[in-house]
Amino acid sequence: AQKVTQAQTEISVVEKEDVTLDCVYETRDTTYYLFWYKQPPSGELVFLIRRNSFDEQNEISGRYSWNFQKSTSSFNFTITASQVVDSAVYFCALSEADSGSARQLTFGSGTQLTVLP
Amino acid sequence: ETGVTQTPRHLVMGMTNKKSLKCEQHLGHNAMYWYKQSAKKPLELMFVYNFKEQTENNSVPSRFSPECPNSSHLFLHLHTLQPEDSALYLCASSQEYYSYNEQFFGPGTRLTVL
Repeated sequence: AQKVTQAQTEISVVEKEDVTLDCVYETRDTTYYLFWYKQPPSGELVFLIRRNSFDEQNEISGRYSWNFQKSTSSFNFTITASQVVDSAVYFCALSEADSGSARQLTFGSGTQLTVLP
Repeated sequence: ETGVTQTPRHLVMGMTNKKSLKCEQHLGHNAMYWYKQSAKKPLELMFVYNFKEQTENNSVPSRFSPECPNSSHLFLHLHTLQPEDSALYLCASSQEYYSYNEQFFGPGTRLTVL
């Protein structure tokens, strides 16, 4: 069964600090997709990134970067020079795909990030 | 309107009431989802509709009844709910129900059952 663990329940940082959100996953599939979503106080989850299991290249998008390590089954998310607007709950999610059919997203329990001014 | 909209944003109901949650997506997607988000728990997928056909029902109690009249609209009919059903109910859509498709979420309906 697929599983996603976000061990950090809450993190507080001061503005301009860098922060890394951890995500560890479990799956028996060789083909799978990993996602990060952001949930601001307004409620809707906002898609940030998708990574497939065959693409281990790290990705950078502005102040956001993601480190995918298959050897440790981790897909960590780093925010550089954090800002108050980054305060939100961040979810990591996994979707298995070996069967070729549609598979559900399994979400981690989320990390509440608070960036203090 | 753009993206995924949900109404109402807040709902308070008694255990004997009947109410409905509405979701509408303006993205031309073919799959729609209902999720339940309770405090301190991961998001729980409730139902999935793909091309208007229900494809997933994750052992959801019958007091929750989904309806998908077309690919743009999704309803969740509620009746005789319990206090433990109080939660944020999120609607989402994606191009199709497939593993690699990112989902786009609405702002949710905050439901309180008294």
